[in-house]
Amino acid sequence: GAVVSQHPSRVICKSGTSVKIECRSLDFQATTMFWYRQFPKKSLMLMATSNEGSKATYEQGVEKDKFLINHASLTLSTLTVTSAHPEDSSFYICSAREASQDTGELFFGEGSRLTVL
Amino acid sequence: GQNIDQPTEMTATEGAIVQINCTYQTSGFNGLFWYQQHAGEAPTFLSYNVLDGLEEKGRFSSFLSRSKGYSYLLLKELQMKDSASYLCAATDSNYQLIWGAGTKLIIKP
Repeated sequence: GAVVSQHPSRVICKSGTSVKIECRSLDFQATTMFWYRQFPKKSLMLMATSNEGSKATYEQGVEKDKFLINHASLTLSTLTVTSAHPEDSSFYICSAREASQDTGELFFGEGSRLTVL
Repeated sequence: GQNIDQPTEMTATEGAIVQINCTYQTSGFNGLFWYQQHAGEAPTFLSYNVLDGLEEKGRFSSFLSRSKGYSYLLLKELQMKDSASYLCAATDSNYQLIWGAGTKLIIKP
């Protein structure tokens, strides 16, 4: 099946710094990628939809200036958490939909656990 | 509004059968997914139903009734490794996924 790779899997940073998380579709082209945040014992919370070559669509309540999303190619989307604070500590997951598919099946990255000290 | 409902937690015994239900209300409908998620890991795909009926895949089966806005995931011959959260997600008319909160399944020996 299709593979999505997410990097880094774990990152620890100091408060006030920025962290970039990469999401790559390894064997397919993804016109759309999704970024989620997941708190412990909670379900996925969609943060934004990333479309190749255009601006990301953010869900209500998600600060677009704080969570910068770039989808520069059909295989790569990045999420940058700017000026991170301890409350940004969470599990961030990306997923991608194959360009040729209409069914909506998603392929997930491994997730990135961010800890802000 | 759009909504997915599934139980928060269920407990079952190793070797037994468990059914996890999911009801949905969406603007349009283009299929329903079930994903499994172990703690600290990303979700993995289990099944996709777009037509009414039962889809069987090994120990796991998924059922859909579009007229009732209802689906269930059936797990047979439960194993300890099946302890996980099971997420139900429906796609609306724009193929956007609407996620349920997940059902935490606890398997006891």
